[in-house]
Amino acid sequence: DTAVSQTPKYLVTQMGNDKSIKCEQNLGHDTMYWYKQDSKKFLKIMFSYNNKELIINETVPNRFSPKSPDKAHLNLHINSLELGDSAVYFCASSQGGQSGYTFGSGTRLTVV
Amino acid sequence: QKEVEQDPGPLSVPEGAIVSLNCTYSNSAFQYFMWYRQYSRKGPELLMYTYSSGNKEDGRFTAQVDKSSKYISLFIRDSQPSDSATYLCAIGNQAGTALIFGKGTTLSVSS
Repeated sequence: DTAVSQTPKYLVTQMGNDKSIKCEQNLGHDTMYWYKQDSKKFLKIMFSYNNKELIINETVPNRFSPKSPDKAHLNLHINSLELGDSAVYFCASSQGGQSGYTFGSGTRLTVV
Repeated sequence: QKEVEQDPGPLSVPEGAIVSLNCTYSNSAFQYFMWYRQYSRKGPELLMYTYSSGNKEDGRFTAQVDKSSKYISLFIRDSQPSDSATYLCAIGNQAGTALIFGKGTTLSVSS
């Protein structure tokens, strides 16, 4: 049973398109996150939700909009995709703010 | 100064070597220190978790935190080819703030 699952694993799309990435966790955790990992492996926080409430919203273009329909799901919608959005996007969850995170396997987004 | 500094390597060692990976951080308020291992094209997985200062050992892995120097280390004894991965340090402060990750050190262990 996959603890944190993301779909799709790979996404290739053209500039200007809108796309969504979905994340689900079956660990019963109350906090979920979106991180972006660039080509140099640097992981940077984008958003965090606690029990469906947005608690962290880093400086991210407003083309990125997270949505948490319930505490087990956190989706990421991206409008008007740009070349610079190409990266690996990781979903993660944790129980409490500073316990260890469980990561999904990532969504590799390529914008052409 | 960045909040977390980590030498990206790459680091290449022969099988059986002792590996030392390190990070420095700038804010003395950080209290939670973790090491994650990330294999190629996979998500990071939690390897070691330490709260406040001290050492923690788990098999071949030892994590050390020196809060006075703002320095954290991960030691790998008897390194194996299966240890070849990117190792990321992560630090945390309090609830409501997300973990801050170092840039990762890429380790290659040759047999």
